[in-house]
Amino acid sequence: SQQGEEDPQALSIQEGENATMNCSYKTSINNLQWYRQNSGRGLVHLILIRSNEREKHSGRLRVTLDTSKKSSSLLITASRAADTASYFCATDILYSGNTPLVFGKGTRLSVIA
Amino acid sequence: SQTIHQWPATLVQPVGSPLSLECTVEGTSNPNLYWYRQAAGRGLQLLFYSVGIGQISSEVPQNLSASRPQDRQFILSSKKLLLSDSGFYLCAWSARTGVATGELFFGEGSRLTVL
Repeated sequence: SQQGEEDPQALSIQEGENATMNCSYKTSINNLQWYRQNSGRGLVHLILIRSNEREKHSGRLRVTLDTSKKSSSLLITASRAADTASYFCATDILYSGNTPLVFGKGTRLSVIA
Repeated sequence: SQTIHQWPATLVQPVGSPLSLECTVEGTSNPNLYWYRQAAGRGLQLLFYSVGIGQISSEVPQNLSASRPQDRQFILSSKKLLLSDSGFYLCAWSARTGVATGELFFGEGSRLTVL
């Protein structure tokens, strides 16, 4: 079964607005990662947050992690039309080295110019 | 720098025909290698992963198989395709690490349509 589940499944916003996507997972983890996928392309890594971190920033991206609730959020500030893509969270399993990442079903973000 | 190549990019195959998708990685050694499948509008389903030559772990029982004949080569195969095998296949690699699984680097994908 899916380890991570993103919410919402789809999100449509105006350019310049902020976009927030949420992810919930089931087991204890070493880290949680967010990926982006443009239509018909491979996934691209955005950011990794470790289980002992609560917040991380990268440019216009802000990721939070709440291990007590087994949840994470990805915030994209001042969105642009080029941010239109699907966004996935992915997790590994605590203390299980080199286990494959398990991905959620993704959030489809549409940014309207 | 590291690169990953995956081919073919697109293929249309009849039911019952064989399949071979190939993935190679350059610029790194001893990578972990993965095959994922993505159905239309869905998330990624892990099919196979490999931590070394000849070492393949299968996650989903199906008519697909994988092989790793060389350190940086990963092949996905089928002897007889089913309609349900249609989808977007993604190869990925990650560096060998200790406890945690690191960043995955994905190929551009292979879109398979079985008719």
